[in-house]
Amino acid sequence: GENVEQHPSTLSVQEGDSAVIKCTYSDSASNYFPWYKQELGKGPQLIIDIRSNVGEKKDQRIAVTLNKTAKHFSLHITETQPEDSAVYFCAASMRPGYNKLIFGAGTRLAVHP
Amino acid sequence: NAGVTQTPKFRVLKTGQSMTLLCAQDMNHEYMYWYRQDPGMGLRLIHYSVGEGTTAKGEVPDGYNVSRLKKQNFLLGLESAAPSQTSVYFCASTNPPQTGKNTEAFFGQGTRLTVV
Repeated sequence: GENVEQHPSTLSVQEGDSAVIKCTYSDSASNYFPWYKQELGKGPQLIIDIRSNVGEKKDQRIAVTLNKTAKHFSLHITETQPEDSAVYFCAASMRPGYNKLIFGAGTRLAVHP
Repeated sequence: NAGVTQTPKFRVLKTGQSMTLLCAQDMNHEYMYWYRQDPGMGLRLIHYSVGEGTTAKGEVPDGYNVSRLKKQNFLLGLESAAPSQTSVYFCASTNPPQTGKNTEAFFGQGTRLTVV
């Protein structure tokens, strides 16, 4: 079955710097790669996603890149702000809405003023 | 605009006790899921349902049972709680794939369960 590895487990940056979180997956049949942000005491919330027919997607300060050949995808956050501090999860599945959504272990991002 | 609501938010159980976690969604989603979240392990799928009256096993189903008697509700039961079931439990719901609808997964706020 699918296995998703996520690195680093913790990341500390200064406000205004960029942050990059990387994930690799094992199942070449995976075609949908969402990223979730989880704030303290809350459930995960979708922040951006990418499908296998796209190499990069941007939404304001966040972007996701996908390399299907190498089976890895990354989350990039530019101009980080203290409110970006949270736990970020990557995930993979065969398609959006498909029930077999496999999550990475999470990255705790701390943005220091 | 409630989305996905989980009840209760916190619970402490003694080993061997039983309990039911309730998940309710008001978005008319067909698919519902129960995940558990443990430190350093991300979220793991326990059981899921693709429609009213149907349920299926996920990655870690042992020790849990589920029921989907109504489309908007998905119940997770622990018949005989064990310390290994200490975790944070999340419910989620989505539209099914390939329907032209938004397939984003919406999560509840979580239930923190401690089994002593």
